[in-house]
Amino acid sequence: AQSVTQPDIHITVSEGASLELRCNYSYGATPYLFWYVQSPGQGLQLLLKYFSGDTLVQGIKGFEAEFKRSQSSFNLRKPSVHWSDAAEYFCAVSSGTYKYIFGTGTRLKVLA
Amino acid sequence: DAMVIQNPRYQVTQFGKPVTLSCSQTLNHNVMYWYQQKSSQAPKLLFHYYDKDFNNEADTPDNFQSRRPNTSFCFLDIRSPGLGDAAMYLCATHPGGSTDTQYFGPGTRLTVL
Repeated sequence: AQSVTQPDIHITVSEGASLELRCNYSYGATPYLFWYVQSPGQGLQLLLKYFSGDTLVQGIKGFEAEFKRSQSSFNLRKPSVHWSDAAEYFCAVSSGTYKYIFGTGTRLKVLA
Repeated sequence: DAMVIQNPRYQVTQFGKPVTLSCSQTLNHNVMYWYQQKSSQAPKLLFHYYDKDFNNEADTPDNFQSRRPNTSFCFLDIRSPGLGDAAMYLCATHPGGSTDTQYFGPGTRLTVL
């Protein structure tokens, strides 16, 4: 069965610092992987996705993620965090169907 | 702009009083979903439609029902809301292809008094 683990429930970084949010998945074949962001009281917005090809994926708002098959990971990174990046981040996996499994999320706090 | 719209954004109901949440889309997507999201938790899929085909998750309580009268609209009916049903309800759509993605509405925050 597919599963997604986001080991960090909360992360706090200073504005301008770099960011890495961890995501590990469990799936037998090559998964389809996604990162979504959710601001308070809002729906989820897609940041980026990986289906195949280049393992380093660029997304919106300056985010990128790297698929590492050997580590079953799809970590999200940003070189310099802005205060507006404070939100909850969800990693999700799909087997290529339209049903996703979401991780439990990582709440990001940004210090001025 | 094409989008997923949820009404109302905030809904207050009384314990046991039926409530209906609404979702509409201008994306013409085949798939529509309803998720329940409690505070600081992952969205939990309740059910989804592929066109008119309804797919219920095994652990979705019978108290939750859904209707999709046409491509554009999907409704979530909670027949007898309990205090534990207070949550954010998210509607999402998907074109249906393997390399497509889900698009989410802004959610409806349900409060049960």
